[in-house]
Amino acid sequence: GAGVSQSPSNKVTEKGKDVELRCDPISGHTALYWYRQSLGQGLEFLIYFQGNSAPDKSGLPSDRFSAERTGGSVSTLTIQRTQQEDSAVYLCASSPSPGTSREQYFGPGTRLTVT
Amino acid sequence: LAKTTQPISMDSYEGQEVNITCSHNNIATNDYITWYQQFPSQGPRFIIQGYKTKVTNEVASLFIPADRKSSTLSLPRVSLSDTAVYYCLVGAGGYQKVTFGIGTKLQVIP
Repeated sequence: GAGVSQSPSNKVTEKGKDVELRCDPISGHTALYWYRQSLGQGLEFLIYFQGNSAPDKSGLPSDRFSAERTGGSVSTLTIQRTQQEDSAVYLCASSPSPGTSREQYFGPGTRLTVT
Repeated sequence: LAKTTQPISMDSYEGQEVNITCSHNNIATNDYITWYQQFPSQGPRFIIQGYKTKVTNEVASLFIPADRKSSTLSLPRVSLSDTAVYYCLVGAGGYQKVTFGIGTKLQVIP
């Protein structure tokens, strides 16, 4: 079956521009996660959705970052006024239900480069 | 949230068994232990999960002592394709802020 997909796979943008990153989770998965991974670093948790709601947005690095999920499916991570430090791989994962006791299925990621 | 500590890197020759230990001293009663593998330019992939004693699948074994304050991922007879970063996670069901940490970078040498 189809796994988690993300688009675009690569995005190069100029500093100050807004970007939108998309995640299509596995059908029927209620939990959706966004992570950020800088070069050679571990995964930084950004936000989690249970259905369409995000109970905790404290992982988002700044108010330039926002995320939404519609129809309990597709999620969009938006970064406004991008900065060079936003350059990273943005990974999305989904699982049948929330919590680390459940396996997360990861997408291939979106590599964002801010010039 | 239970914090985990694991070695930053390990080297191993092909064909050897590799054991990666993760410390999680403040693991809670409801917490599971989960390991993921990440190849370069890919998202992490689930390897194995356990709660206590020993779990084995086609990829690896997971050993968890009675006090559950640590766990050991065992990879039998590694090959070059096992070169990856391995993450140990500890947590339970329900909502939790998920922390992957830096992981252990395993380099398999020919």
